[in-house]
Amino acid sequence: AQSVAQPEDQVNVAEGNPLTVKCTYSVSGNPYLFWYVQYPNRGLQFLLKYITGDNLVKGSYGFEAEFNKSQTSFHLKKPSALVSDSALYFCAVRDSGDSGYALNFGKGTSLLVTP
Amino acid sequence: DTAVSQTPKYLVTQMGNDKSIKCEQNLGHDTMYWYKQDSKKFLKIMFSYNNKELIINETVPNRFSPKSPDKAHLNLHINSLELGDSAVYFCASSQTHGPSGNTIYFGEGSWLTVV
Repeated sequence: AQSVAQPEDQVNVAEGNPLTVKCTYSVSGNPYLFWYVQYPNRGLQFLLKYITGDNLVKGSYGFEAEFNKSQTSFHLKKPSALVSDSALYFCAVRDSGDSGYALNFGKGTSLLVTP
Repeated sequence: DTAVSQTPKYLVTQMGNDKSIKCEQNLGHDTMYWYKQDSKKFLKIMFSYNNKELIINETVPNRFSPKSPDKAHLNLHINSLELGDSAVYFCASSQTHGPSGNTIYFGEGSWLTVV
């Protein structure tokens, strides 16, 4: 099965500073990679995805992610963090056929942006 | 215009009861899913349906029975509820089933507490 790993349980950053939330992947074949955000007591909101093409993917709310094939990484980034970015972030990969092509999620990284 | 809607949002019930969670999507998608988020925020696929047909049935107790009356609806019925069933259940949908970069859209979640 395809999988992703998020090595950090929590990331702390000061408002206005750049932020990075890390994700590495393990796939056979072409990876379809996604980032979602979950605000407290809310559902998962889609941020961005990598399918093919440009390694730098831009998404919602000023977020972007860089696909790096040699490092098997898909880190989420934002140039200037906002307090309102504080949330739980999930990296995910589209699974293979024997698992019905559902999304497999990482364990999530809690982002805390302080004023 | 909620794309994926599920009801109820909050559900508190006693052990042994039977309950249902309803899900509807108005995106015209062919594929729908149920995910479970446990107390550690880990997300795991439970079921996937494509055009009303079951695609995935992960290792979920047979007390959980999904039903898809049409491709816009995927309901989750749970028999003989146990304390360990307490979790957040997310409904989701995507355009098609298969190895693709189609985005999976999630509902707001249903918070189930079994007492």
